[in-house]
Amino acid sequence: QKEVEQNSGPLSVPEGAIASLNCTYSDRGSQSFFWYRQYSGKSPELIMFIYSNGDKEDGRFTAQLNKASQYVSLLIRDSQPSDSATYLCAVRGTENNAGNMLTFGGGTRLMVKP
Amino acid sequence: NAGVMQNPRHLVRRRGQEARLRCSPMKGHSHVYWYRQLPEEGLKFMVYLQKENIIDESGMPKERFSAEFPKEGPSILRIQQVVRGDSAAYFCASSLYRRDGRGEEQYFGPGTRLTVT
Repeated sequence: QKEVEQNSGPLSVPEGAIASLNCTYSDRGSQSFFWYRQYSGKSPELIMFIYSNGDKEDGRFTAQLNKASQYVSLLIRDSQPSDSATYLCAVRGTENNAGNMLTFGGGTRLMVKP
Repeated sequence: NAGVMQNPRHLVRRRGQEARLRCSPMKGHSHVYWYRQLPEEGLKFMVYLQKENIIDESGMPKERFSAEFPKEGPSILRIQQVVRGDSAAYFCASSLYRRDGRGEEQYFGPGTRLTVT
């Protein structure tokens, strides 16, 4: 059973701070990693993806991947109240997985306080 | 808008009726995925389709649920004889696919909220 684990939160940070969201996964052969943002009652919105070990930066967002530790994180710099949402970590499995499906964590609820 | 389109956005069905959910992938995408999100639960994979082919249906209940992606027209997720436990948000996502595994990012549609009364 492939698992993706996230702390459900809520994670509360003050406006302007760095929010750090973490995710671990069980399938060592996992290839690709995604972060989605989901506002209440809305659909998931892709905000970052990362395929290689290390850091990937896009604007205020940085994704970090450590395949040896089976760990992926998302940093949000200069957090804004509009960043308040649930952040979903998703993992695509091994290359011979014909399904190409994503396995999602339960999500971390982020609250940015003005 | 070239995004993933789903309709209807809200669907109310009585127990025992059929529900049909439609999904048109993003322009240029040929891979479609259906996910279900039960109230207060995470997203769960149901089925993965390409045109005229079901690639992986490992997440779909064996009974009452079916999916198709015909050569022409949208992908359809069909739920027969709906029960209250089918009430959920059903999301469709689409992607490109390349043999090197890149370009596989999945983009989600707005979802269909199914309520079974």
